[in-house]
Amino acid sequence: KQEVTQIPAALSVPEGENLVLNCSFTDSAIYNLQWFRQDPGKGLTSLLLIQSSQREQTSGRLNASLDKSSGRSTLYIAASQPGDSATYLCAVRQGAAGNKLTFGGGTRVLVKP
Amino acid sequence: SQTIHQWPATLVQPVGSPLSLECTVEGTSNPNLYWYRQAAGRGLQLLFYSVGIGQISSEVPQNLSASRPQDRQFILSSKKLLLSDSGFYLCASPRRGNTGELFFGEGSRLTVL
Repeated sequence: KQEVTQIPAALSVPEGENLVLNCSFTDSAIYNLQWFRQDPGKGLTSLLLIQSSQREQTSGRLNASLDKSSGRSTLYIAASQPGDSATYLCAVRQGAAGNKLTFGGGTRVLVKP
Repeated sequence: SQTIHQWPATLVQPVGSPLSLECTVEGTSNPNLYWYRQAAGRGLQLLFYSVGIGQISSEVPQNLSASRPQDRQFILSSKKLLLSDSGFYLCASPRRGNTGELFFGEGSRLTVL
């Protein structure tokens, strides 16, 4: 059974510092990995999707890496801003059929002005 | 564009009362649809998924049921709510184009008193 872990559970940084969020999974036979952002009381917003054949994906200040063999993904957010404050969730998909995702518990980020 | 609408956004119900949460998808046809629950202090848990009209798979035994009466409509129901049914319910669907990306609606927050 796939298990996804995100450490730390919470993170507080001053504005301008780079953020590094970690995600680990126990079964390396994944189809893809997705990073989401969740603001309080809101739904999930997809940030980046990394296919199992890819090593990284980039979108603006966001960069996500994937190391399947070690069961790890890292989300980097450069030059953090107060607007980046949110909970960040990673999720892995096992197979091509269906889209069932297994989620980590999330990392709650606070960027202080 | 592809969107997911969830209704109602917020609901407060007494124990033992019935429940109906609705999810509708626009901008795609015959999508896979998913109900997730996010309970306080717990991660996102997949409750039900559907690959077509009338086709429902349950991931965990519970007090809830799901139905898919139309191609782009997914309904979560209960005949008698329990306190443990409180949580944030999210409907999800794959992004059109077979990228493997899953995107979510804005959610329905249920409080059972």
